[in-house]
Amino acid sequence: DTGVSQDPRHKITKRGQNVTFRCDPISEHNRLYWYRQTLGQGPEFLTYFQNEAQLEKSRLLSDRFSAERPKGSFSTLEIQRTEQGDSAMYLCASSLKQGVDGYTFGSGTRLTVV
Amino acid sequence: AQSVTQLGSHVSVSEGALVLLRCNYSSSVPPYLFWYVQYPNQGLQLLLKYTSAATLVKGINGFEAEFKKSETSFHLTKPSAHMSDAAEYFCAVSDGTGANNLFFGTGTRLTVIP
Repeated sequence: DTGVSQDPRHKITKRGQNVTFRCDPISEHNRLYWYRQTLGQGPEFLTYFQNEAQLEKSRLLSDRFSAERPKGSFSTLEIQRTEQGDSAMYLCASSLKQGVDGYTFGSGTRLTVV
Repeated sequence: AQSVTQLGSHVSVSEGALVLLRCNYSSSVPPYLFWYVQYPNQGLQLLLKYTSAATLVKGINGFEAEFKKSETSFHLTKPSAHMSDAAEYFCAVSDGTGANNLFFGTGTRLTVIP
């Protein structure tokens, strides 16, 4: 297994545009998480899935953000009408059983909104 | 609610010296605790985890951490720093009851001086 993959690694977009990121978790992991990390801060939880069900969303996840995991495998995170404040590293992680094994993180997608 | 506090946003040590990175947690239930390392433009890599078994936990790359309930601490140590240890280190806590996310500290940047 090659671990958690995220695509793209970097994305530069103009304010107001929509962007979509993809995450491919470790194949046997049924839990998938999205985190956001801004400069100088630790990762902040956005949302998580168990299989295809989105079970929790942070209040950080505004209406402009939507995440899907349609078949319980890969996931997408879409940001509509991007704002400069959305500039951050978006991290995806997967796990078998949260709280016991910890997460395996991907390398992240760095979003810059200009 | 769970939270962690990492004392010292920047720590510098000489190569070969002891590394000590501090983490204090707050949790209303027995916690699970984690240390992650992040290299520039990379995701987070799990160093070690405490999941209510042995209080002294050994991780990868020679790091270890000791869970001290009386002090609500989970400090990370390494007897002898190596240049390759220079990175950002994050402490994280979950409540270990199947809660859905990890809460991260703000991180400590470790610099190793030759």
